[in-house]
Amino acid sequence: EVQLVESGGGLVQPGGSLRLSCAASGFTFSTRWMTWVRQAPGMGLEWVANVNQDGSGTYFVNSVKGRFTISRDNAKNSLYLQVSSLRVEDTAIYYCARVAIPAARYYYIDVWGKGTTVTVSS
Amino acid sequence: QSVLPQPPSASGTPGQSVTISCSGSSSNIGSNTVNWYQQLPGTAPKLLIYSNNQRPSGVPDRFSASKSDTSASLAISGLQSEDEADYYCAAWDDSLNGYVFGAGTKVTVL
Repeated sequence: EVQLVESGGGLVQPGGSLRLSCAASGFTFSTRWMTWVRQAPGMGLEWVANVNQDGSGTYFVNSVKGRFTISRDNAKNSLYLQVSSLRVEDTAIYYCARVAIPAARYYYIDVWGKGTTVTVSS
Repeated sequence: QSVLPQPPSASGTPGQSVTISCSGSSSNIGSNTVNWYQQLPGTAPKLLIYSNNQRPSGVPDRFSASKSDTSASLAISGLQSEDEADYYCAAWDDSLNGYVFGAGTKVTVL
């Protein structure tokens, strides 16, 4: 069974940092792009970051550039999101997800984790 | 303001049909395929439709979708109580170089 399990969320003060982790199982992790998507309380979904199969390519939504880092350890089947210089508006559920890119111009998220909650508050 | 506007809500009685629209531009829906996600209350999103009109295994054929130029739509026929959820369209955006989601449509079964 394909599974993604996030951890590392919590309560942090503005300006603080956290490292979110995602443990993947049930598929060949090293062959898939991975992504983080977040959802603020009562709001919609927002794509945060992507990383390619070997970690050499990373992409971010403008609002987190320079503050968040996405990485992966294929030997450990794990995805990470280092979140720094946190702001109140970063408060959200952060979902780890698997990406499918079967062809050019075809991109979708096909598997989602249950999410980990980050709360930024003083 | 979402890059992919959707109506905030839609509703119908059991057995009826509901259609949700998703409006985009040449940099997203006009250039890339559209996907739809269902988010039941208190749960993570789930892939409902991919590549404009393809249903993953296990998704009932009551759910169908289409795309035309820079817009897309999701149709739910034979509405059931378990279809009460938030529905999001999404597509890659070449200008933003990122994946964009619609604002979401809350479907209520009356």
